[in-house]
Amino acid sequence: ELKVEQNPLFLSMQEGKNYTIYCNYSTTSDRLYWYRQDPGKSLESLFVLLSNGAVKQEGRLMASLDTKARLSTLHITAAVHDLSATYFCAVEDGSGSRLTFGEGTQLTVNP
Amino acid sequence: NAGVTQTPKFQVLKTGQSMTLQCAQDMNHNSMYWYRQDPGMGLRLIYYSASEGTTDKGEVPNGYNVSRLNKREFSLRLESAAPSQTSVYFCASWAADASGNTIYFGEGSWLTVV
Repeated sequence: ELKVEQNPLFLSMQEGKNYTIYCNYSTTSDRLYWYRQDPGKSLESLFVLLSNGAVKQEGRLMASLDTKARLSTLHITAAVHDLSATYFCAVEDGSGSRLTFGEGTQLTVNP
Repeated sequence: NAGVTQTPKFQVLKTGQSMTLQCAQDMNHNSMYWYRQDPGMGLRLIYYSASEGTTDKGEVPNGYNVSRLNKREFSLRLESAAPSQTSVYFCASWAADASGNTIYFGEGSWLTVV
């Protein structure tokens, strides 16, 4: 059974600082997804990582995938308040038909 | 283009009542999903349908039934609601495109069972 773990689960940081959220998963997969969720809202797709070594960047967020280590990171550079949200990683199973989600990382960026 | 539409958005049920959550997508996707979201647990898959006419259990199927009525619609039924089914429910559909698989979520249905 595929298990996905994120850490930290809660992250409070100051504006302007850098930090990394980690996503570990338990079985082989080449596809990993990052989502953002604002309170009371649905999930918004951030990144789709499709192969080992994949790196994608959008604004102050950069995601990477190491399939050998079964690890993805979401790096936040010079955080701003608008990045406050809950971030989820999700891993596609071997059949390509299901996504398993991590518990989510609740990020709060303080002025 | 409406994407994935769920109804109702909010519902309060009494223990033992039944209800159906409706979901429809207008993107011609084959695969559709029902997830539930509880605090600190991420999203957990209840049931999914890889194609019209097929349904499969996910991680937490007990207490739920589903129907893939046609390619567009995938409904989730609670036959006898229990307080443990208080949750936020998300329907989603899946498309494989050139950039990988993209999953589109509905806006969510907030269900409270008292």
